[in-house]
Amino acid sequence: DTAVSQTPKYLVTQMGNDKSIKCEQNLGHDTMYWYKQDSKKFLKIMFSYNNKELIINETVPNRFSPKSPDKAHLNLHINSLELGDSAVYFCASSPVPGQGNGYTFGSGTRLTVV
Amino acid sequence: AQSVSQHNHHVILSEAASLELGCNYSYGGTVNLFWYVQYPGQHLQLLLKYFSGDPLVKGIKGFEAEFIKSKFSFNLRKPSVQWSDTAEYFCAVSSSGGYQKVTFGIGTKLQVIP
Repeated sequence: DTAVSQTPKYLVTQMGNDKSIKCEQNLGHDTMYWYKQDSKKFLKIMFSYNNKELIINETVPNRFSPKSPDKAHLNLHINSLELGDSAVYFCASSPVPGQGNGYTFGSGTRLTVV
Repeated sequence: AQSVSQHNHHVILSEAASLELGCNYSYGGTVNLFWYVQYPGQHLQLLLKYFSGDPLVKGIKGFEAEFIKSKFSFNLRKPSVQWSDTAEYFCAVSSSGGYQKVTFGIGTKLQVIP
């Protein structure tokens, strides 16, 4: 039973398209995150939600819009996809934001924009 | 703002060799520190964490890390590596308290040769 699940696992799409990535956690955690891992494996936080409320919004193009319908779900919608959006996107959750509990990560969504 | 630097980007070891991966962080206050591992093609998993108490922290799979506050360091160690330890290792830091994000280092790729 997967703790943090993301769909789809792979996504190949053309420039200019709009796409969504979904994330669900069954751990009962209050906080969820989106991270982007680029081709050099660098992980950068994009967004964080605590109990459906946006608490971290890093410098991310406004083509990226997160949505949290409830505390178990955090989806990421991307408009007008660009080549530079190609990366692996990881969803994560934690029981308390930024505390010493660590994150539980999903398996990632590899987005390729062609 | 907090930051993390990992000194070794690519480490190659023979099986049974000892491992030490360096990690230094920059932050003026109290921190929580983490090491994550990412096996090829997989998501990140928490290896160990420090948030208070004994600065020598033991994690899964025989890994340990030592928090040296005066040196702002949190180096990862393992006395004898195995081929299955081949992976990318990420050091991470978050400030204690509140809605603070976890900042990751750039990662160290460990390759263990049988």
